[in-house]
Amino acid sequence: LAKTTQPISMDSYEGQEVNITCSHNNIATNDYITWYQQFPSQGPRFIIQGYKTKVTNEVASLFIPADRKSSTLSLPRVSLSDTAVYYCLVGEGNDMRFGAGTRLTVKP
Amino acid sequence: KAGVTQTPRYLIKTRGQQVTLSCSPISGHRSVSWYQQTPGQGLQFLFEYFSETQRNKGNFPGRFSGRQFSNSRSEMNVSTLELGDSALYLCASSFRQLQETQYFGPGTRLLVL
Repeated sequence: LAKTTQPISMDSYEGQEVNITCSHNNIATNDYITWYQQFPSQGPRFIIQGYKTKVTNEVASLFIPADRKSSTLSLPRVSLSDTAVYYCLVGEGNDMRFGAGTRLTVKP
Repeated sequence: KAGVTQTPRYLIKTRGQQVTLSCSPISGHRSVSWYQQTPGQGLQFLFEYFSETQRNKGNFPGRFSGRQFSNSRSEMNVSTLELGDSALYLCASSFRQLQETQYFGPGTRLLVL
């Protein structure tokens, strides 16, 4: 079964780049890696998804090494509004697993 | 497009009662999934429906059930409520597959007394 492990919390300052790593040693061949952001009292919001190597969109980059046993979400130049909980999701169907989430606090 | 809507937003029940939660997916989305979120267990997958059929199921007891209607709207039912069922219940929709981008609703916060 896919199992994901993330740091519980991280602190950063405005304007810095933040990298959050998720470990998923038992990732299956068909599994994608997806990251979500969640603010208090809201449902999670999609950030980025990838299968291998590097994916970039307008808000983040996702780095996945060749063995795919981990992934790193990179948020460039964070702002106070990026303070949230970030989840990685691995697996599909019955085997889908969210990580416990990383609480990112951005300080001024 | 309107987002995923869930009703009610808040609910208080007592042990032993049952509850039904409702979810309206984004127009055109046919996959609807349900999640339970608690401080202790985090986000846990309950089940997914597609074309009125349960396609995937997480590791929850049979007290948790659901259904999907022909218009893709979905309901989730929890029978014989326990204190531990207190949680935020989230619904998400995607076009066809779980592995596509899922769009989450705001959730229904259930408190069991």
